[in-house]
Amino acid sequence: QVQLVESGGGVVQPGRSLRLSCAASGFTFSAYDMYWVRQAPGKGLEWVALISNDGSGKYYADSVKGRFTISRDNFENMLYLQLNSLRPDDTAVYYCAHDLKSGAYWGQGTLVTVSS
Amino acid sequence: DVVLTQSPLSLPVTLGQPASISCRSTQSLVHTDGNTYLNWLQQRPGQSPRRLIYKVSNRDSGVPDRFSGSGSGTDFTLEISRVEAEDVGVYYCMQGAYWYTFGQGTKLEIK
Repeated sequence: QVQLVESGGGVVQPGRSLRLSCAASGFTFSAYDMYWVRQAPGKGLEWVALISNDGSGKYYADSVKGRFTISRDNFENMLYLQLNSLRPDDTAVYYCAHDLKSGAYWGQGTLVTVSS
Repeated sequence: DVVLTQSPLSLPVTLGQPASISCRSTQSLVHTDGNTYLNWLQQRPGQSPRRLIYKVSNRDSGVPDRFSGSGSGTDFTLEISRVEAEDVGVYYCMQGAYWYTFGQGTKLEIK
């Protein structure tokens, strides 16, 4: 069965950086696009980034463009999100997702708190 | 951007009674591949989202048959025939036809 396990969240000061990881299993990772979605405390869901199956295509929400970078390692079945120049409004649970077009698979999320 | 508008945003329901959530899109959600990528997610308190319904009306494995989805084009509905205590949570419609956007969420509670 599909499993997505995020890690790397924590408390960070504004302007600092953080790297999130997502370990994927239960499907042929290298064959699929992958996604990050976030949810601010008590708020709704927001798509953040998409990476194509081979890593050649990367797309971002306007709210994170130029600050966040998505990447992947198809040998290790890992997805990453590098968060730079963090702001308080980046505080959220960050979910790794697979087959987001159909809303199919979600990890348990990792909480990022940006606060001084 | 495609905007999804859900109503109501708060839904108090008596146990055993039906419930209905509407989701309206600012544009048709029919993808160029012919599929309509309108999905319904359930998020129970403290949990990550879980898909209930995909491509308008297809129920996921393990989802009780009291949940059903319908609609076309820009108007969609999630219906629960008889609400149970385990249905408490927030329900989101989401679309994957033109990038990815989500409705604001509908909070279902037991009256």
